[in-house]
Amino acid sequence: KQEVTQIPAALSVPEGENLVLNCSFTDSAIYNLQWFRQDPGKGLTSLLLIQSSQREQTSGRLNASLDKSSGRSTLYIAASQPGDSATYLCAAPNYPGQNFVFGPGTRLSVLP
Amino acid sequence: ETGVTQTPRHLVMGMTNKKSLKCEQHLGHNAMYWYKQSAKKPLELMFVYNFKEQTENNSVPSRFSPECPNSSHLFLHLHTLQPEDSALYLCASSQVKQTTDGYTFGSGTRLTVV
Repeated sequence: KQEVTQIPAALSVPEGENLVLNCSFTDSAIYNLQWFRQDPGKGLTSLLLIQSSQREQTSGRLNASLDKSSGRSTLYIAASQPGDSATYLCAAPNYPGQNFVFGPGTRLSVLP
Repeated sequence: ETGVTQTPRHLVMGMTNKKSLKCEQHLGHNAMYWYKQSAKKPLELMFVYNFKEQTENNSVPSRFSPECPNSSHLFLHLHTLQPEDSALYLCASSQVKQTTDGYTFGSGTRLTVV
C-alpha cells in the first residue's frame, strides 16, 4: 500500500524567499502525482499534476518535479508571498491507476 | 456553475439527528469520492463511486451511508453520529476511477457533532 510523507511539517519564511517542499512515496510504480493547496477550513485546490513522463511541471512561480526512482517529488515556490501561506499536500496513486493517497501536508507561513 | 459544489458548508447536528451532505460536479466526470479530514490527520478516503457504482468502502462505519444516483451527484447520509465524527468532509471527482487526470475537490462541509 502506498504511503506518502511530507517534510517539513511546517515552515515559516520571510517574504521573497525561494523555498522547496518535499514529498516522499513508498511505491514508485506510479505514473503521476498531484500537488494541492489548502487554505484553513477550505477544500483542496489543485496546483500541479505531474506525469512521470514529464518529470517536471511549471505553473507561474511553482515548479514540481518527480523522481520515481528515488520516490520523491519536490514543489519549488519562487519569490514567496504572504498569499502563499497555506497547507500544501501531495498525493500519489495507491497503485498505478487507482485512487490517490495523500501526505499529511506542509503548513507554510510567509511573513511580510 | 462549474467545478465541484458541496452543501451545506457548515453543519451542526446532534447525535440522534439524521442529515445529508450533498456534492455536485459539473465537470462531466464519472468518478466521485468522499474524504474525511480530521484535525492533524491526513485525508482519509471513505468511499469511491465509478459510473454510479460503489467500488470502494474503506471500512467506514455504517452510520455513514453514501448514495450516488447519477455520475453528477453524490450524497453522504449521516445518522447517529459520534462526536469523533466531527471533521471536514470533502468531495472530489475525476474523469474516471483512475488518477490519470487528477482530482478536483469541492470546498468541503465542516461537520460538528454535539
